[in-house]
Amino acid sequence: EAQVTQNPRYLITVTGKKLTVTCSQNMNHEYMSWYRQDPGLGLRQIYYSMNVEVTDKGDVPEGYKVSRKEKRNFPLILESPSPNQTSLYFCASTYTGGNNEQFFGPGTRLTVL
Amino acid sequence: AQSVTQPDIHITVSEGASLELRCNYSYGATPYLFWYVQSPGQGLQLLLKYFSGDTLVQGIKGFEAEFKRSQSSFNLRKPSVHWSDAAEYFCAVGGLRSGGSNYKLTFGKGTLLTVNP
Repeated sequence: EAQVTQNPRYLITVTGKKLTVTCSQNMNHEYMSWYRQDPGLGLRQIYYSMNVEVTDKGDVPEGYKVSRKEKRNFPLILESPSPNQTSLYFCASTYTGGNNEQFFGPGTRLTVL
Repeated sequence: AQSVTQPDIHITVSEGASLELRCNYSYGATPYLFWYVQSPGQGLQLLLKYFSGDTLVQGIKGFEAEFKRSQSSFNLRKPSVHWSDAAEYFCAVGGLRSGGSNYKLTFGKGTLLTVNP
């Protein structure tokens, strides 16, 4: 089954404690992306990756890092989380030769105390 | 810059009534348009998409949307709403940009649908 998986699905942590949210897709998509969703703001792009070792900032990259060492994985790293990063995070992937239909993971709800 | 406006933050309809959710977009090239639905505590589910061709597109759960280029709109409709349709709905725009590398989807802020029995 074609899918995007994220782990963990729920996470409560404290300010400053480094964390990683993993994202994996099994569709051999070149493009992957991270979004955050906040009430009243919709989804906003954090970072994206066009392919292995190719990443770039989206609209709200501050406080986040990413890496793309393998095509299927695109982890989101919060080196020093702060309460304003409490949000719902979605990973997405798409085939770049097509129509930009993006496949979303189930989401990770992060709370930073 | 691309943008999406969903003018209605919250809409309440009675079960069985018709529904139209509005979406206006701004995009500098041929847009790809999407509607997603999100039930409370859930992820995003794709309802329908428009890439080209027929401007009236059919989706899942009995939804349809019409692309009107002259009005930069992509409104979502359903002839008879069911209680299970209560959720938040997001319109999104994206597309291939000449020379660009970001296949970003830009989302509207969402419309929350309440269905009264």
